[in-house]
Amino acid sequence: DQQVKQNSPSLSVQEGRISILNCDYTNSMFDYFLWYKKYPAEGPTFLISISSIKDKNEDGRFTVFLNKSAKHLSLHIVPSQPGDSAVYFCAADDNAGGTSYGKLTFGQGTILTVHP
Amino acid sequence: GAGVSQSPSNKVTEKGKDVELRCDPISGHTALYWYRQSLGQGLEFLIYFQGNSAPDKSGLPSDRFSAERTGGSVSTLTIQRTQQEDSAVYLCASSRTSGGPTDTQYFGPGTRLTVL
Repeated sequence: DQQVKQNSPSLSVQEGRISILNCDYTNSMFDYFLWYKKYPAEGPTFLISISSIKDKNEDGRFTVFLNKSAKHLSLHIVPSQPGDSAVYFCAADDNAGGTSYGKLTFGQGTILTVHP
Repeated sequence: GAGVSQSPSNKVTEKGKDVELRCDPISGHTALYWYRQSLGQGLEFLIYFQGNSAPDKSGLPSDRFSAERTGGSVSTLTIQRTQQEDSAVYLCASSRTSGGPTDTQYFGPGTRLTVL
């Protein structure tokens, strides 16, 4: 049972354009969401996060949007750069009544390719 | 400073053999996680260590899997009598404090395990 889903295995965009990566979840107890970025032969690195009490969080070129009613979040990268080419994972945490310790549930990942 | 390191980077073994995977977390990080990523899947939580507390083993897929963390630092994940379905990338992560979702997890590069 995949509680976090990234339905697009890959996305290709032109440099300078916007990249939009999508993620859907099914567990209504999830209350904290994260995006990780992964380059080949490296481990994932944290990119940006959002708490369920917010609907938007911005950090430079990266913005995460959360739509709780739709159980959907998205990562916007604008403008996209060739160095952004990587695998992007969304992840979620359910905080288990305040006892969560960061046990994350990840999506399958989306391969982003930004063409010069 | 050094990041999370894992060894070996690649491991090929025959079905039925035991394997040991090692993780060196970032110095001073008290929380340590093991995940695995099978082909086409997201990262799957396996086990969590926090200081000297009993680990959360709820993600281990079978009793062939075990892990220990000696001295609150280095961790070893052991898979006994390996099966082909154990083939995956095994990722280790550490975080600085109690390991809540807002405490960034830093990942190692992973060990790619192939069971023939």
